[in-house]
Amino acid sequence: EVQLVESGGGLVQTGGSLRLSCAASGFTFSTYTMNWVRQAPGEGLEWVSYISSSGSTIYYADSVKGRFTISRDNAKNSLYLQMNSLRDEDAAVYYCARGWDPYGNWFDPWGQGTLVTVSS
Amino acid sequence: EIVMTQSPATLSVSPGERATLSCRASQSVSSNLAWYQQKPGQAPRLLIFGASTRATGVPARFSGSGSGTEFTLTISSLQSEDFAVYYCQHYNNWPPITFGQGTRLEIK
Repeated sequence: EVQLVESGGGLVQTGGSLRLSCAASGFTFSTYTMNWVRQAPGEGLEWVSYISSSGSTIYYADSVKGRFTISRDNAKNSLYLQMNSLRDEDAAVYYCARGWDPYGNWFDPWGQGTLVTVSS
Repeated sequence: EIVMTQSPATLSVSPGERATLSCRASQSVSSNLAWYQQKPGQAPRLLIFGASTRATGVPARFSGSGSGTEFTLTISSLQSEDFAVYYCQHYNNWPPITFGQGTRLEIK
């Protein structure tokens, strides 16, 4: 069974840092692109970041550029999101999601999400 | 940035009836469009990619159509488990990838 399991969320102060992880299983992780997508409480979906299968190509949403860093460890079947200089507006459930490049960057499947709370 | 606009924001439909949800892109996205279903407390689930291709395991009552800037998700005969929030997402000429704001499908 294809599965993505996020961890690392929690309560952090404004300006603080947090590292999210996503453990993948049930598929050949190293051959798939991966993404982070977030959802603020009661709001819609916002794409955050993309990483290619090898890690050589990375993209960010403007809202997180310069503060967040996506990475992956194909030997550990894991995806990461390092979040620095956190702002109130970064509070959200963060999902990791598998992409389907080069066919198209739709997202399937998604993990269950991990909640990040930012408080001053 | 391509802006995706969904309508209506909320749609009230009776079980067994047809539901039609719309998604409009601010510029052409060709057929590079996906639809997702999200139930409360759950992660989104892929329904449709390539504007009209059903994902694995998605019932045939779900269908997608359109290309360019106008897209439609149709649920032919609503079941109780279909009441949820639906999002469209483009993946044409990105980054960034953007989603519509969602349509809430509720029981009438």
